[in-house]
Parts: sequence; C-alpha cells; structure tokens
Amino acid sequence: AQKITQTQPGMFVQEKEAVTLDCTYDTSDPSYGLFWYKQPSSGEMIFLIYQGSYDQQNATEGRYSLNFQKARKSANLVISASQLGDSAMYFCAMREYEGGSQGNLIFGKGTKLSVKP
Amino acid sequence: DSGVTQTPKHLITATGQRVTLRCSPRSGDLSVYWYQQSLDQGLQFLIQYYNGEERAKGNILERFSAQQFPDLHSELNLSSLELGDSALYFCASSVEDRIANYGYTFGSGTRLTVV
Repeated sequence: AQKITQTQPGMFVQEKEAVTLDCTYDTSDPSYGLFWYKQPSSGEMIFLIYQGSYDQQNATEGRYSLNFQKARKSANLVISASQLGDSAMYFCAMREYEGGSQGNLIFGKGTKLSVKP
Repeated sequence: DSGVTQTPKHLITATGQRVTLRCSPRSGDLSVYWYQQSLDQGLQFLIQYYNGEERAKGNILERFSAQQFPDLHSELNLSSLELGDSALYFCASSVEDRIANYGYTFGSGTRLTVV
C-alpha cells in the first residue's frame, strides 16, 4: 500500500503567486517525520522542510511552509511568492521506522511544478 | 557541492554487464543510504549502511549488493543488468543511524543507462 500520496502530477503557478502542493500519508506509528524535497532539472535532491508528528506548530522555512493536518494525515507544502527558480519536481517523504532503522525515507511520486512568468 | 560525492556521474553499459557505483559520504557522516529513482517506480530506498555494517534493507534486488568500507565510502554493485535497471542512483549520508530533522545530504547521483 502506498504510504505517501501526491495526487498532483503537475501544476502551474503564476510568478509571485502562492501555490500548495498536496501530500497525504499513511502510517500507524505515532512518531513519524515528514519531509519535502525539491529536485530541479539538474537532478540533485534538495531538502526544503521538515515536520515532526509531535510538533505543535506548522513548520516554516523562508518561503516554504508546511500545512500539517494530523487528523487528515496531510502535509501540504505551501510556497509563497513563487519564483521562476521554483520550477522543479517536489517530493513528499516520510521517515520510516521499520526494522529498527530510523533513516529510511518513503517518497511520493512527486509533483512537477512549473512557474509561469 | 553537498559534500556527498558520487562517481561516475553517467554510466552507459550493456545488458548482462556488471557495474560499480561509488559514494563518498560527507565528512563525519557514518551512515550511507542508497536510493534508486526510475520513471516507473519513483524514488525507492535500497539499502543503508552505518559505520561499515548493513543497517536496513529496502527494495533491493538480489542482483544488487553494497558494502561500506573502513574509510566509510560505499559501493553499490549492480550485476546481470537489465534494461529496467536504467535509473538515477542516489547516495545520501547522515551523521547518525537515522535521518535528522534537517534531512540528510544527497549526492548528485549516478545516471545509469542500460542498452
């Protein structure tokens, strides 16, 4: 069963506008972590933001914020004031604790964001 | 530069062949993780090593193997290659035997093309 679901294969946003990328997750573990990564066309994976399951407040990092709704098991990424350089693939991921390891990440299929000038 | 070095950046090889991908973790990091990114499967965790020992295994095929050496660099060996093994292979590293809240550092990847 897919544990991370990103329902938007592709999205367009006008430059300077805000955009929300959706992510839902599935886990029975009360302690988990959620991550967002950006992958530009050059291919590297860039960490954007983290949300822990026990964090009381939504995470923010500059123009990135995470809309964490625990009951709905959603962790949507909000990018404010989009820039052309934000055009990339965005991946939602969850830290897995299977097998005693706390290092594996389960990734969603990704959302391709295109910022229009 | 993330500090995680992967070589080679590109690799083209024929079906049935064997290749070795190399990863040098960021200085001070003891954990190395290997991921495969393919068009159909997306990003999948393959295997993790911590200080020379295998720590966790994901969806790694039996034709694939890995190891981490005393100097902490790691190698991913892919044998009897098939067309479907064509993918971008990422290495990532972290200090501890877990991913920190700031994520872990990915290398730039090795793009493998099997023809």
